[in-house]
Order: sequence, then structure tokens, then C-alpha cells
Amino acid sequence: GQNIDQPTEMTATEGAIVQINCTYQTSGFNGLFWYQQHAGEAPTFLSYNVLDGLEEKGRFSSFLSRSKGYSYLLLKELQMKDSASYLCAVLSNDYKLSFGAGTTVTVRA
Amino acid sequence: TAGITQAPTSQILAAGRSMTLRCTQDMRHNAMYWYRQDLGLGLRLIHYSNTAGTTGKGEVPDGYSVSRANTDDFPLTLASAVPSQTSVYFCASSDSETHEQFFGPGTRLTVL
Repeated sequence: GQNIDQPTEMTATEGAIVQINCTYQTSGFNGLFWYQQHAGEAPTFLSYNVLDGLEEKGRFSSFLSRSKGYSYLLLKELQMKDSASYLCAVLSNDYKLSFGAGTTVTVRA
Repeated sequence: TAGITQAPTSQILAAGRSMTLRCTQDMRHNAMYWYRQDLGLGLRLIHYSNTAGTTGKGEVPDGYSVSRANTDDFPLTLASAVPSQTSVYFCASSDSETHEQFFGPGTRLTVL
């Protein structure tokens, strides 16, 4: 089975940086996804890490350490539109996604 | 391209009634999934299908059934709805190379 933990809520100021941590304990691992979900909408893909290290995509970066069962999503130069839930999800050996409960990020002016 | 569509957008259903949630994708993805999303619990997998003609049980399959007659459609049926099935239901499909899942807009179901 999968056990995926991430903080429930985070608050940050516009223009700042926020780091959302995700720890996981899994019986099989084929990569880790981050999704963004605005209130009342569907999740949308942000990033995928399968190897250790940092993947950068514009203002968003994602890091993975497989030996530590740890990932983080880094949001830089925060904008009001970044207020959303961020979902950490682990891809198992049979290619099923298991999701954490999500971290709600609130960006304040 | 529509991607994934779901119908209805929302529904209020009396307990004991049956209902089918519809899901259609036009990306020719082999794998499709049904999730429910509840506050504080995140997305939980109900049923999945790796390819047309096959289905499998996810984490919370009880009270739900699915079929996969063709690549595009993956309906979810509640045979006899109960209030605990009140939730937001998302359908998804995945690319077989990247394994990225694409989600439909969701169906908000209330069982009274």
C-alpha cells in the first residue's frame, strides 16, 4: 500500500516562495507526480519526477529523493492565481496513482 | 479537442436509486480511472481499466461497478445509492508512455 503525507494548509505572500513537502512510504515506486487543483475544478498536471534531483519548469520546481521517500514542490514569485490545492501522487509498479490529501496554498496580497 | 468529458455536472439522487455517471475521452488512451474526492481524504481510486474489455478494483470499489466496452467510454454505475456516496467524482485517462493522468471536469453527486 501507499502512505503519502503532505501539510494540510500553507499561506504565503504574493511574490514570495513556498515549498510544499511530501513524504511517502510505498510498496512500489515508478515516479512521483504533482498536480494543481483550483477550487471546483479538475486536477491539472504540474510535474513528474522519476529520478533523484530537481526538475525546473518556470516558476515551479519539483525535487525527489527516492532513498528518503521525499519530494517537494517549490513555487517561486507567487501570484494570486497560484492559490489552489497541490496534490502529491505516487505512481506504483502497476501504474496506479495514489494521492496525498493535498495542500491548500493561500496567497495573500 | 475535448479531452475528457463527464456527465452530468451535478446530480441530487434519492437513496436507493441507481445512477450512471458517464465519461468519454477522445485521446485514444488505453487506461481510464474513476476517483472520488472527499474533503480531507484526497482522491481515492474506485475502479480502473487498463484497456478496453478489462476492468479492475481500486481502493474503494464497494457499491460501484464499471464497464469498458470500447476505448472511449468508461461509465460508473451506482446500483443502489447511499448517502456515504455523496462526493465529487472524477474520471481520468492516462498516456501509456508518460503515465500522466488527464482528468475530466468532475461530477458532484449528492445522495439524500
